[in-house]
Amino acid sequence: AQTVTQSQPEMSVQEAETVTLSCTYDTSESDYYLFWYKQPPSRQMILVIRQEAYKQQNATENRFSVNFQKAAKSFSLKISDSQLGDAAMYFCAILFRAGGGLTFGKGTHLIIQP
Amino acid sequence: DAGITQSPRHKVTETGTPVTLRCHQTENHRYMYWYRQDPGHGLRLIHYSYGVKDTDKGEVSDGYSVSRSKTEDFLLTLESATSSQTSVYFCAISDQDRASYEQYFGPGTRLTVT
Repeated sequence: AQTVTQSQPEMSVQEAETVTLSCTYDTSESDYYLFWYKQPPSRQMILVIRQEAYKQQNATENRFSVNFQKAAKSFSLKISDSQLGDAAMYFCAILFRAGGGLTFGKGTHLIIQP
Repeated sequence: DAGITQSPRHKVTETGTPVTLRCHQTENHRYMYWYRQDPGHGLRLIHYSYGVKDTDKGEVSDGYSVSRSKTEDFLLTLESATSSQTSVYFCAISDQDRASYEQYFGPGTRLTVT
C-alpha cells in the first residue's frame, strides 16, 4: 500500500522566521504528483503548492517552497517569513495516477508565535 | 475559488437512518471525489467518479454508496448510518484533462451519528 508519513504532529515557529515541515512517502511508482494543502480553523482545504515527480526543479509559490528528494522519497515544505495567517494544519498528499484519489498524511499542526 | 458547494453543512442523525450528502460543482470538471476526515487519520478517499454514471471505490468505501447522474452533482449515501461514520466529509473536484491534477475541495459537511 502507498503511504504518506508526516512525522511532526505539531510545530511552532516565531513570526517572521522560517519553518520546514517534513513529509516522506512510500511507493514503487515512478510517476506521481505531490501536494501540500493547508487547513485553517475554518476547515477549508487550500492547495498551497504542487510538485510533479518528473521535474527535478523544486516548486516555489511566493513564501512557500519545497525540497523534493525523489530518491529519498522526501517532500518537505519550507515556509519563509512566517505570518500569523500561516497558522493551520498542513497536509502532504500524493497522487499516483491520473483520475485517482489523493493519499494524505496525518497532518502537522503549525503554530505561529507572535 | 472553485465553485463547489456541499449540503447540508451540518447534520445530526440517528443510528440506522439513511443519509445523503450532496456535492454540487459549477466548474464542469470531470472528476469528483468524496473523502472523510477523522482525528489522527488525515483525509481518506471513500469513492470517486470519473464521469457521469462512472464511479469507483476508494480506501474506506464500506457502508457508503455514490451516484452521479449529472456532471455537476455527486451524491454520497450512507444506507444505514453508524456511529463510526461520524466524521467531516469533503467533496473535491479535478479537471485532470489539464494535466495539473490538482484537486479543489468543498467546505465540508460535519455529520454526527448518535
